[in-house]
Amino acid sequence: SQTIHQWPATLVQPVGSPLSLECTVEGTSNPNLYWYRQAAGRGLQLLFYSVGIGQISSEVPQNLSASRPQDRQFILSSKKLLLSDSGFYLCAWKWKGGTNTEAFFGQGTRLTVV
Amino acid sequence: AQTVTQSQPEMSVQEAETVTLSCTYDTSENNYYLFWYKQPPSRQMILVIRQEAYKQQNATENRFSVNFQKAAKSFSLKISDSQLGDTAMYFCAFMKQKTSYDKVIFGPGTSLSVIP
Repeated sequence: SQTIHQWPATLVQPVGSPLSLECTVEGTSNPNLYWYRQAAGRGLQLLFYSVGIGQISSEVPQNLSASRPQDRQFILSSKKLLLSDSGFYLCAWKWKGGTNTEAFFGQGTRLTVV
Repeated sequence: AQTVTQSQPEMSVQEAETVTLSCTYDTSENNYYLFWYKQPPSRQMILVIRQEAYKQQNATENRFSVNFQKAAKSFSLKISDSQLGDTAMYFCAFMKQKTSYDKVIFGPGTSLSVIP
């Protein structure tokens, strides 16, 4: 069976510090991978998605970047955090195309920038 | 670009009653999927129900059913016999069909409270 791991669950970081959130998927290969952010009281905003190793599409200009160094590993990073980067970050995966339409989500990371 | 709108930020319903959550979307695509995801207080996202745009028949999953109006670009969720465990954020979502570059676009969500 497939599982998705996302860590850490909670993170408090000072403004200007770097960030690295990691997401890994097990039990599948060549998945599409996604990073979403959920600000307080708001919906899920798609930040990045990846269809393969080294292939990253950015949805919104921001202070964050993403990388996919391995097939089932997706990393969200920042060199210098801003207060506005606070939020709940969700990693998700899905099979490509066809009738496999469901996205599977990690448990999320609550990031507070202070 | 596709957009998803949910006009009800918060709703409440008495236990055992029926509630309908609204969703509208905008797309120029003809083939796509629509979803309702549930996010309970645990924050774990769970797929509730999905609808293929080419199917006229509305999807049903136990107490959950949708009213899909393709021409109106409307996709509402009906929860029958509401239970306390239905208390959650509900997100409507859209995805284009059959492409490797498939993105799932979410609406802003509706916070549903089931009142005992």
